[in-house]
Amino acid sequence: EVQLVESGGGLAQPGGSLRLSCAASGFTFTNYDMHWVRQATGKGLEWVSAIGTAGDTDYLGSVKGRFTISRENAKNSFYLQMNSLRDGDTAVYYCARRNWGSGGGFDIWGQGTMVTVSS
Amino acid sequence: EVVLTQSPATLSLSPGERATLSCRASQSVSSYLAWYQHKPGQAPRLLIYDASNRATGIPARFSGSGSGTDFTLTISSLEPEDFAVYYCQQRDNWPITFGGGTNVEIK
Repeated sequence: EVQLVESGGGLAQPGGSLRLSCAASGFTFTNYDMHWVRQATGKGLEWVSAIGTAGDTDYLGSVKGRFTISRENAKNSFYLQMNSLRDGDTAVYYCARRNWGSGGGFDIWGQGTMVTVSS
Repeated sequence: EVVLTQSPATLSLSPGERATLSCRASQSVSSYLAWYQHKPGQAPRLLIYDASNRATGIPARFSGSGSGTDFTLTISSLEPEDFAVYYCQQRDNWPITFGGGTNVEIK
């Protein structure tokens, strides 16, 4: 079964850190760009970060310099290291696969992991 | 950044009715627009990519149209499982952006 499973969410204080993980299975992980998308409570979806098959990375402006995306192909996993967390980072974080065979749409998503930033 | 404005915010319809959802972009995104369905506690689901192409396994009652700045998602006859929030998303300009969503609720 093709799936993505996130882990690592939780409660962090402002200025603190968390590391999210996303484990992929059921497909050739090395063939796909992988992304993080978040959703604050009552808000819409917001793209956060991406990592390409060659390890190239991209970030939303508001997280650049604070978040770092990485991948570990041997473990079919990728990660989001979140430092200097702010209240505004509170959200459900989804990992997603981008499929150029589907016009670059996000065709597989995880169930999401909750990140709460609060003192 | 490209702002996607979805309307209406809420659509109250009965099963069997036709749903028409709109997504308007602040600048042209060509045909690089996708639609997703999102239910509470579930992962979003890709419905339409490149404005009018149904994703794998998506029923024919879902269709997309438009180009440039104006796009439409149509659900020809609502099934009970179609009541959800729908988002549009563009990939023509960095960063990737999503619309604010349309909640299709049971009337």
